[in-house]
Amino acid sequence: QVQLQESGPGLVKPSETLSLTCTVSGDSMSSYYWSWIRQPPGKGLEWIGFIYYSGSTSYNPSLRSRVTISIDTSKNQFSLKLTSVTAADTAIYYCARCTYGLDFHYWGQGSLVTVSS
Amino acid sequence: QSALTQPASVSGSPGQSITISCTGTSSDVGDYNYVSWYQQHPGEAPKLLIYAVTTRPSGVSNRFSGSKSGNTASLTISGLQAEDEADYYCSSYTSSNTLVFGGGTMLTVL
Repeated sequence: QVQLQESGPGLVKPSETLSLTCTVSGDSMSSYYWSWIRQPPGKGLEWIGFIYYSGSTSYNPSLRSRVTISIDTSKNQFSLKLTSVTAADTAIYYCARCTYGLDFHYWGQGSLVTVSS
Repeated sequence: QSALTQPASVSGSPGQSITISCTGTSSDVGDYNYVSWYQQHPGEAPKLLIYAVTTRPSGVSNRFSGSKSGNTASLTISGLQAEDEADYYCSSYTSSNTLVFGGGTMLTVL
């Protein structure tokens, strides 16, 4: 059974960089796409971006200038960095595994990140 | 990219059928058979119900079905049950090699 687990600081100061890691267990990272999705409290889902196991990426145009997703298949991990955060970036951040059609079959439990001084 | 359009809320009585629509454009829903639907209960991660417009993952009840016509995809839930009360989201692959979600629909079982 594939499992994903997000980890990282739960509190980030405005203007700083949000960093999260997703650790994958139960299967190899090969041949899949790996994605980050976020959900502000009480609001809907927002796709952040994905990375293929080979390293190619795609990002939400509204976040592209601030987002970097990287992957380390030797550690079965992929990571998210979001720079220059504001209160609007406060959200539950989910990592997920998807296929070419970007359908998310497996999700992490989510990690609440609050942006506040 | 603009979010896909879903009704904010729908409701139905136990045993009834309801349909949730998801309207996009010719650059996403209308051009690709990569529409997915997710169910999210409060405090939980979303769960995949339908992918590739009509395909149910293993373990998902056959009361859930998906379809698409033009730029609009639909999720139908038949034989409504109390446990179906949740938020539902659609998503679609886009011509820019990105993904867009719908705004979400809250389903109330009366």
